[in-house]
Amino acid sequence: AQSVAQPEDQVNVAEGNPLTVKCTYSVSGNPYLFWYVQYPNRGLQFLLKYITGDNLVKGSYGFEAEFNKSQTSFHLKKPSALVSDSALYFCAATGANNLFFGTGTRLTVIP
Amino acid sequence: EAQVTQNPRYLITVTGKKLTVTCSQNMNHEYMSWYRQDPGLGLRQIYYSMNVEVTDKGDVPEGYKVSRKEKRNFPLILESPSPNQTSLYFCASSLGPTGSNQPQHFGDGTRLSIL
Repeated sequence: AQSVAQPEDQVNVAEGNPLTVKCTYSVSGNPYLFWYVQYPNRGLQFLLKYITGDNLVKGSYGFEAEFNKSQTSFHLKKPSALVSDSALYFCAATGANNLFFGTGTRLTVIP
Repeated sequence: EAQVTQNPRYLITVTGKKLTVTCSQNMNHEYMSWYRQDPGLGLRQIYYSMNVEVTDKGDVPEGYKVSRKEKRNFPLILESPSPNQTSLYFCASSLGPTGSNQPQHFGDGTRLSIL
């Protein structure tokens, strides 16, 4: 079965430290990969996507993601976390006519 | 401002009482979808639409109906709601289909509780 895994339900990081939110995918072919962020009582907001080319993708709010084809991973990163980055993060991968979402990782940035 | 608008945002109702959740987008997108979000399951697609009068089932369509009579609107209909449909629902629109490289634009969600 095709799927996206976010192995950590919760990630805590101190303000100013680098953060990583992990994502691996099991989808046939060469899927497009996305990261979305969800703030309380709001819908998901697009952060960044990987289509092809450079393995390091830059997105909104200083976030970036590293694509690794051999490990089928697409980890979200930020060099210096802000308290305002605290939110729920979803990774997603495209199928033939579908979009598979991970179960989400709650990021808490501690002041 | 480009947006996807859902109504109502919150609804508590009873089993069997028909309800409709409206969704409207102002970006002239052809593609629209409905998702439900449940703890530990992420988002799952209920139905999607490629254009006016063209709709298809997603991963979890049972118990739901949709219609697409106008490009901007894509209502979700629960004809006979049941408690297992208690969930957080999101409408989304996009320039491309869900398998494309176009991101989804989401509404703010509708929390449904069915007693």
